[in-house]
Amino acid sequence: DIVMTQSPDSLAVSLGDRATISCKSSQSVLYTSNNKNYLAWYQQKPGQPPRLLMYWASTRESGVPDRFSGSGSGTDFTLTISSLQAEDAAVYYCQQFWRTPTTFGPGTKVEIK
Amino acid sequence: QVQLQQWGAGLLKPSETLSLTCGVSGGSFSGHYWSWFRQPPGKGLEWIGDMNESGSTNYNPSLKTRVTTSVDSSKSQFSLRLTSVTAADTAVYYCARTGGLTPLYWYFDLWGRGTLVTVSS
Repeated sequence: DIVMTQSPDSLAVSLGDRATISCKSSQSVLYTSNNKNYLAWYQQKPGQPPRLLMYWASTRESGVPDRFSGSGSGTDFTLTISSLQAEDAAVYYCQQFWRTPTTFGPGTKVEIK
Repeated sequence: QVQLQQWGAGLLKPSETLSLTCGVSGGSFSGHYWSWFRQPPGKGLEWIGDMNESGSTNYNPSLKTRVTTSVDSSKSQFSLRLTSVTAADTAVYYCARTGGLTPLYWYFDLWGRGTLVTVSS
């Protein structure tokens, strides 16, 4: 299985500040034939299912605010929240869908400082 | 607006069979894979398996010997059975939809609300 790791485990950010989450995969999730990274990001709040934020590493899902952005390629990826809002407090997961079984990172908890 | 509604027993005894169903409303059942996930309390997400409307299935090797999924396209429903449950199977179980049928789209853009399944004697 492809192992996904995330850092940090948690971070506390002041409202309006930038939050940056790192995700690494144990093997490349880039398909060179279409130049797509098979990597997605999700947000999960307590008592709720995950919400898709980003796919193909940097394509924002419909309805997701543009303060969320994704970057990276191959094995190293980043989710950035440019100006943290109160409603962004949540756990964030990355997911690879390059190989079956699809696997998720352990999550990064974002709190408001 | 497409929605997933899931239901099934929430309390099981060890060795019993977990059975959950997810219904799709407000949209097409074709053109997607339909998946099951689970999330133990306070922990991360684990993919269990998926199926499409024609019955093609994929399972996580870690659970493959105990998992069966099925689909009823006429009702836009899909189901999960997990046999011989133990306390380690206690989790919130989610159904979800992929963005499309090919691996390029195997992210999950629609989720059910989740069902807490507790295994306890």
